[in-house]
Amino acid sequence: DADVTQTPRNRITKTGKRIMLECSQTKGHDRMYWYRQDPGLGLRLIYYSFDVKDINKGEISDGYSVSRQAQAKFSLSLESAIPNQTALYFCATSDARKGTSGPGTNTGELFFGEGSRLTVL
Amino acid sequence: AQRVTQPEKLLSVFKGAPVELKCNYSYSGSPELFWYVQYSRQRLQLLLRHISRESIKGFTADLNKGETSFHLKKPFAQEEDSAMYYCALRTGGGTSYGKLTFGQGTILTVHP
Repeated sequence: DADVTQTPRNRITKTGKRIMLECSQTKGHDRMYWYRQDPGLGLRLIYYSFDVKDINKGEISDGYSVSRQAQAKFSLSLESAIPNQTALYFCATSDARKGTSGPGTNTGELFFGEGSRLTVL
Repeated sequence: AQRVTQPEKLLSVFKGAPVELKCNYSYSGSPELFWYVQYSRQRLQLLLRHISRESIKGFTADLNKGETSFHLKKPFAQEEDSAMYYCALRTGGGTSYGKLTFGQGTILTVHP
């Protein structure tokens, strides 16, 4: 089955360390996203990419950077991790080619990975 | 700026009782609303979207533009409905087209 895979699934690190979370997908989707989930705050968008050459900041991009190495790969980096970046991180993809309004429209459905739990001590 | 509010962090009902998960949004344009669900040990997944006007697993949601709401309802809750539910808003236009803004989430527990 086409899938969205995140690595690592769990990571414990120390303040100041550089961390990379990786996401790869076999769905053939062009759009990829990174969200973080915090209790009481829900899902918040960190970065998103609509194609390999398009990278956009989300609502909470400070302290994070991303790289879209290929259509299928989208990595999230924490250059110098801090404790308040402890969270569950989700990668998601969507397909812009299908839609109820014709070619090029987006149905809005996101397909999520299983999540990467990051703890910063 | 767009915003999605789910006022209830936790919601508990008994099996067979009606359930309503509230969602309110703030957006000046034409919104598209969705409900996503995350069952225990499963991935977050789409439950339903307002455009489709469908009923999924007995759940329905009607977009009320006057009240800027998109509440999720089910007349008879089942234990397997216990999950985290997220309301999400998609805004149109420009480079933001296609990205979703999520609410804070509501954990629904259905007791036997």
